[in-house]
Amino acid sequence: QSALTQPASVSGSPGQSITISCTGTSSDVGSYNLVSWYQQHPGKAPKLMIYEVSKRPSGVSNRFSGSKSGNTASLTISGLQAEDEADYYCCSYAGSSTPVVFGGGTKLTVL
Amino acid sequence: QVQLQESGPGLVKPSQTLSLTCTVSGGSISSGDYYWSWIRQPPGKGLEWIGYIYYSGSTYYNPSLKSRVTISVDTSKNQFSLKLSSVTAADTAVYYCARERSEASRYFDLWGRGTLVTVSS
Repeated sequence: QSALTQPASVSGSPGQSITISCTGTSSDVGSYNLVSWYQQHPGKAPKLMIYEVSKRPSGVSNRFSGSKSGNTASLTISGLQAEDEADYYCCSYAGSSTPVVFGGGTKLTVL
Repeated sequence: QVQLQESGPGLVKPSQTLSLTCTVSGGSISSGDYYWSWIRQPPGKGLEWIGYIYYSGSTYYNPSLKSRVTISVDTSKNQFSLKLSSVTAADTAVYYCARERSEASRYFDLWGRGTLVTVSS
């Protein structure tokens, strides 16, 4: 099972909005509404930001939102803040044979 | 609240077996709502799912690692463990244990802090 495809990097200025894409196939992203997104600051463990495509865990800012169209999922961060600068990973359920597949990660830089 | 903590050697020689344990505190590993997973991250690279175990002992492994991986659970100690055999330098990574929500909803809602394992002679 190949990794999901994410852009290597994105950037934005404080207050702006950015979107990170996550492209899979009809066997993973396209077949299941089970896409999740994780934020990882340097030297820290990943943190769940979005699950089931668009749901936010308790405590996660509503500036973070998720969506999906076909084989591509997206994470949008609005009102960018300096603390949002981190790596972001998407993840999808991919069926019973290989249940988990991650994206390669996207480095977000807040200018 | 529930916490996960990885433990094990930080240095393993090439061709040997890497062994790590994850201790679950503040909750029971026997909850049927979760899978208990191992995920790794080579230095400067992305996340790679290794596999998971259900409290009953059912396991699922990444096909790319399946021939070298064994994940086991000890419900009496509230722990689950990873063994990765015949390691090479490519297995050098931070290894995380994580809790994955099971059944209809699949996501990793709880992670350990991670432990760096270096493969070197």
